[in-house]
Amino acid sequence: EAQVTQNPRYLITVTGKKLTVTCSQNMNHEYMSWYRQDPGLGLRQIYYSMNVEVTDKGDVPEGYKVSRKEKRNFPLILESPSPNQTSLYFCASSAGDRLNYNSPLHFGNGTRLTVT
Amino acid sequence: DAKTTQPPSMDCAEGRAANLPCNHSTISGNEYVYWYRQIHSQGPQYIIHGLKNNETNEMASLIITEDRKSSTLILPHATLRDTAVYYCIVRPGGKLIFGQGTELSVKP
Repeated sequence: EAQVTQNPRYLITVTGKKLTVTCSQNMNHEYMSWYRQDPGLGLRQIYYSMNVEVTDKGDVPEGYKVSRKEKRNFPLILESPSPNQTSLYFCASSAGDRLNYNSPLHFGNGTRLTVT
Repeated sequence: DAKTTQPPSMDCAEGRAANLPCNHSTISGNEYVYWYRQIHSQGPQYIIHGLKNNETNEMASLIITEDRKSSTLILPHATLRDTAVYYCIVRPGGKLIFGQGTELSVKP
């Protein structure tokens, strides 16, 4: 089954303790991206990647890192989490390269992160 | 980056057509219009997309104006399960702006 898999689904951590949220897709998609969703603010893009070893900032990249060492995986790294990063996070992927974005996004089921 | 404007909320009677509008006045010629919906806190679900022509699939129809500055998503026979937040986005490339979406409530 074609899918985007995020882990973990729920995570509670403390301020300053480094964490990684994993994202994996099995559709051989070039494009992957991360979003956070907060009440009243909708979905906001954190980072995106056009292909392996290519990453770019979205609208809210501060406090986050990503890497794209292989096509299927796009982990989101919080080096020093803070309470304002408590949010619902979504990973998404799609086919397509820089010239062609005629391909829908497939979203994961989300990771609910709480930083105390 | 192209942005979209949608009404924050709409109601629709069950069994009737739901028409959700979206303005994207700054859209460029090669940018697609996409519609997604999100039920509760699940991952957004793709509905339909288009470039210039009207599109229809098993879920919905998409009507894009000739100048491409606005579009309408049509759910032909809304059911209670269509209650969700609907997002209209313009996809120029990697950077995406989702906006607040329209919260559609389908009522019995």
